[in-house]
Amino acid sequence: DAGITQSPRHKVTETGTPVTLRCHQTENHRYMYWYRQDPGHGLRLIHYSYGVKDTDKGEVSDGYSVSRSKTEDFLLTLESATSSQTSVYFCAISELDTQYFGPGTRLTVL
Amino acid sequence: QKEVEQNSGPLSVPEGAIASLNCTYSDRGSQSFFWYRQYSGKSPELIMFIYSNGDKEDGRFTAQLNKASQYVSLLIRDSQPSDSATYLCAVSVNQGAQKLVFGQGTRLTINP
Repeated sequence: DAGITQSPRHKVTETGTPVTLRCHQTENHRYMYWYRQDPGHGLRLIHYSYGVKDTDKGEVSDGYSVSRSKTEDFLLTLESATSSQTSVYFCAISELDTQYFGPGTRLTVL
Repeated sequence: QKEVEQNSGPLSVPEGAIASLNCTYSDRGSQSFFWYRQYSGKSPELIMFIYSNGDKEDGRFTAQLNKASQYVSLLIRDSQPSDSATYLCAVSVNQGAQKLVFGQGTRLTINP
């Protein structure tokens, strides 16, 4: 599992509330990624990080922000959750030009 | 918009037969190609990657890449019921960070 954990694993929240998802890795990988997975869309890149405090946008970044203050942690924040952000969120790391995924967080926004 | 296309299936194959999964991509600058397997409710797990034109074999799995046709495929020989899953094709242009673009996945069912 490349030493990746995600928390929480499941969350139900209400529209308009802030939500933060955490990705933690234990193997000092430089690159970390956040994806969302929705039926019919596969996985889509939200944001990625190439080092502490170095982040950039992916394909579907609107409504999301990220932070990386330590190598091991990459946080994804929904400032004001909307129902369209109901999804399964996967964190990933790169190792030798391949990506490995965490277990995922299932987020439901009511 | 970079796109990766897969037939969403479901693809049904009898046990012991060869399963053939196909993927096309739009960005000619794509350099790396990946196949992931995803069981229901689980995270994607890497099966194979391929960078060069031709075939790459790993056990029962063979990845095939044709950059001129912008086509990548995955063959599964001697299909087993445990191969029943969704198979995701992903491509990337390696420029520092590896920003994968995924297809929507093909659902494969192996019938005993």
